[in-house]
Amino acid sequence: DAGVIQSPRHEVTEMGQEVTLRCKPISGHNSLFWYRQTMMRGLELLIYFNNNVPIDDSGMPEDRFSAKMPNASFSTLKIQPSEPRDSAVYFCASNSSTDTQYFGPGTRLTVL
Amino acid sequence: QQPVQSPQAVILREGEDAVINCSSSKALYSVHWYRQKHGEAPVFLMILLKGGEQMRHEKISASFNEKKQQSSLYLTASQLSYSGTYFCGTGTKYGGSQGNLIFGKGTKLSVKP
Repeated sequence: DAGVIQSPRHEVTEMGQEVTLRCKPISGHNSLFWYRQTMMRGLELLIYFNNNVPIDDSGMPEDRFSAKMPNASFSTLKIQPSEPRDSAVYFCASNSSTDTQYFGPGTRLTVL
Repeated sequence: QQPVQSPQAVILREGEDAVINCSSSKALYSVHWYRQKHGEAPVFLMILLKGGEQMRHEKISASFNEKKQQSSLYLTASQLSYSGTYFCGTGTKYGGSQGNLIFGKGTKLSVKP
């Protein structure tokens, strides 16, 4: 079975530009999580969805960040406008009823 | 309510043992252990559930002390492949929920030949 798929794997952009990260969860999983990982702050939960509905977005840093899950097989995380402090690795994870989360390979974002 | 992991880092010689602890100030339903190698995604190792048994993954085992709200990860006869950062993720919702996990800051394990 394919795991969690994320794209792009690397993104380099300039401050002020819009960035869109994409995630395809494991088929059959109905919860999806977006995390951000930095050396300073570790692994932070940004938002999670259950059955395509956002359940907890308290980790979203500010209004520049938004996430959508239009269907069970696709989610996006958008940053507009991007800032250098947004540079991090962004992970998407999914799970079903076991609570075990399976992580995608991540997107390394660099904002210049 | 981020769980506290200790130690922050540990260096071992191949074949030595290590223990990594994960403590929470909140009542826990589950503790999940992950290992992340440099430049890769976290990979699930095992889950400890409240009232459940000690778990094992190869020569790595873990326990869950409900009274202390603490889980410990035991790495026995460490191998070079054990190197990486170990994270615990704690779940506080009950009943097989799909709620979020809160991850500790990680313990960096380096195994030398």
